[in-house]
Amino acid sequence: NAGVMQNPRHLVRRRGQEARLRCSPMKGHSHVYWYRQLPEEGLKFMVYLQKENIIDESGMPKERFSAEFPKEGPSILRIQQVVRGDSAAYFCASSPPSARAYNEQFFGPGTRLTVL
Amino acid sequence: AQSVTQPDIHITVSEGASLELRCNYSYGATPYLFWYVQSPGQGLQLLLKYFSGDTLVQGIKGFEAEFKRSQSSFNLRKPSVHWSDAAEYFCAVGGGGATNKLIFGTGTLLAVQP
Repeated sequence: NAGVMQNPRHLVRRRGQEARLRCSPMKGHSHVYWYRQLPEEGLKFMVYLQKENIIDESGMPKERFSAEFPKEGPSILRIQQVVRGDSAAYFCASSPPSARAYNEQFFGPGTRLTVL
Repeated sequence: AQSVTQPDIHITVSEGASLELRCNYSYGATPYLFWYVQSPGQGLQLLLKYFSGDTLVQGIKGFEAEFKRSQSSFNLRKPSVHWSDAAEYFCAVGGGGATNKLIFGTGTLLAVQP
């Protein structure tokens, strides 16, 4: 049973370009979370999605950031018109269908975004 | 609002010595508490978790943690540290409500001296 997959592992973009980060949850998991880790900081929650639904996006910046988890395929975190402050590690986590607070979240290896 | 505090940013211990990493939380109800470890350039691996019951929780790699409600603490311990334990350790609390989001502390970076 493969773990949470994220790609690319490293992404370099110039200011103003778009960044697309992909996350494939563990088999059987239908809940996906995105977290951002800025240099020398802990992880900060961004968004929580179930298939075709955004459940909680309270941690998402109001502009330029969007996320989706379609019926088929991976979850996508999209950052438009990237700026240097977007440089960070972006982690995806998944959990099983029973959405109770004590479900363990399984983390992917992260995508490290560098904006030049 | 829920929050997690890890007061020690960086700790250095000698190999074979005991370890305790501190974690304090702020949460209005019974918390769900977690410790994760992150090796350089890697994702997070769950060490242990507390939901209810016995306040002393055993985890992987010889780690344990004790939930103390009166002190709002969930400190991580290991009796004898190995060089491979050098990593960053994050304490987290389950956010509750309609979302499962985790609220993380800022982490403690552990260095192990030979």
